[in-house]
Amino acid sequence: AQKITQTQPGMFVQEKEAVTLDCTYDTSDPSYGLFWYKQPSSGEMIFLIYQGSYDQQNATEGRYSLNFQKARKSANLVISASQLGDSAMYFCAMREGGKLIFGQGTELSVKP
Amino acid sequence: DTGVSQDPRHKITKRGQNVTFRCDPISEHNRLYWYRQTLGQGPEFLTYFQNEAQLEKSRLLSDRFSAERPKGSFSTLEIQRTEQGDSAMYLCASSFRTDRETQYFGPGTRLLVL
Repeated sequence: AQKITQTQPGMFVQEKEAVTLDCTYDTSDPSYGLFWYKQPSSGEMIFLIYQGSYDQQNATEGRYSLNFQKARKSANLVISASQLGDSAMYFCAMREGGKLIFGQGTELSVKP
Repeated sequence: DTGVSQDPRHKITKRGQNVTFRCDPISEHNRLYWYRQTLGQGPEFLTYFQNEAQLEKSRLLSDRFSAERPKGSFSTLEIQRTEQGDSAMYLCASSFRTDRETQYFGPGTRLLVL
């Protein structure tokens, strides 16, 4: 069974608008961490934002925020004021033990 | 502050040859990870080290794969008798042992086996 599910293979957004990328996860561990990474065409994975399972507030990092709904086991990434440079693959990941388990990714395209 | 570096960035080899990749983590990080990513997929975990100790290996890591981190600094990943199915991006990451353990990735080594 998939532990991280990203149901949107591709998304389009108009420049300067907000976009939400979906991520659901599956774990029975009460302590876990959730991450979002951006992967441009160059291939490097760039860390964006982290949410701990015990964090009381949703994480925010600049234009990135994480809509964490623990009961629904979802950790959606919200990008506000999209920029052309946001066009990339986005991966949701969950820490299990020491390793990260990644979803299939969502390809975001920002239109001018 | 230098990030994670990997060498080489690209490698083309013939089936049956051995290849070795190197990863240099962020200097103060004590954990180092290897992942493999094939086209259209998310990265898959291969193995990780804390200092020089290899703490976990994935079932994906067949007998042809071996990883070392001899002095707890840089790491090498060797693939023996390469197969076409080994063609992938090999990503290295490092982290510092904290509650968050955010992993920071290098640029990757893209392997093509002909």
